[in-house]
Amino acid sequence: AQKITQTQPGMFVQEKEAVTLDCTYDTSDPSYGLFWYKQPSSGEMIFLIYQGSYDQQNATEGRYSLNFQKARKSANLVISASQLGDSAMYFCAMREGGNNAGNMLTFGGGTRLMVKP
Amino acid sequence: KAGVTQTPRYLIKTRGQQVTLSCSPISGHRSVSWYQQTPGQGLQFLFEYFSETQRNKGNFPGRFSGRQFSNSRSEMNVSTLELGDSALYLCASSLAGLNQPQHFGDGTRLSIL
Repeated sequence: AQKITQTQPGMFVQEKEAVTLDCTYDTSDPSYGLFWYKQPSSGEMIFLIYQGSYDQQNATEGRYSLNFQKARKSANLVISASQLGDSAMYFCAMREGGNNAGNMLTFGGGTRLMVKP
Repeated sequence: KAGVTQTPRYLIKTRGQQVTLSCSPISGHRSVSWYQQTPGQGLQFLFEYFSETQRNKGNFPGRFSGRQFSNSRSEMNVSTLELGDSALYLCASSLAGLNQPQHFGDGTRLSIL
């Protein structure tokens, strides 16, 4: 079974509108972290936001927020007030285990977001 | 603070050759991970090094190997290159801790002819 599933291969959003990128995950480990990364066409991976499995509140970082629904095993990324520069691939990733478990990230297939002017 | 530096940025090799890629992590980061990104398979974890020891390994053949030096710089080596090894190879470094994000370099784009 896929550990990280991103069901939207591509999405369009109008500039200045909000958009939600979906991510569901599968793990039996009670301790895990979820990360979202942005990859522009230039190739670099840019860290956006983190949500820990024990976090009580949804994470927020500027225009990025995470809609974390633990029982549903979903961690959707919400981008508010989309900008043209938000056009990129977005990856959801998971790290399982506690602090000493190492840094292996499992990535989803990604969602290509295109912002229309 | 300087980011993760990967060299070279681009590399062209032929089948059967070997290649070494280099990664300099962010200062203070002791964990270095390597990933392979291809259009077909997406992003796949290769291995992670922490304090010069391989801590995790992905599902890749033994042709893929790596090492980490005492200054945390890391290299990965691919021997007997195959056409399917053409990919973007990304290196990432991080501090210890579950909530610490991995910071990625710009990658090395390897093309096999």
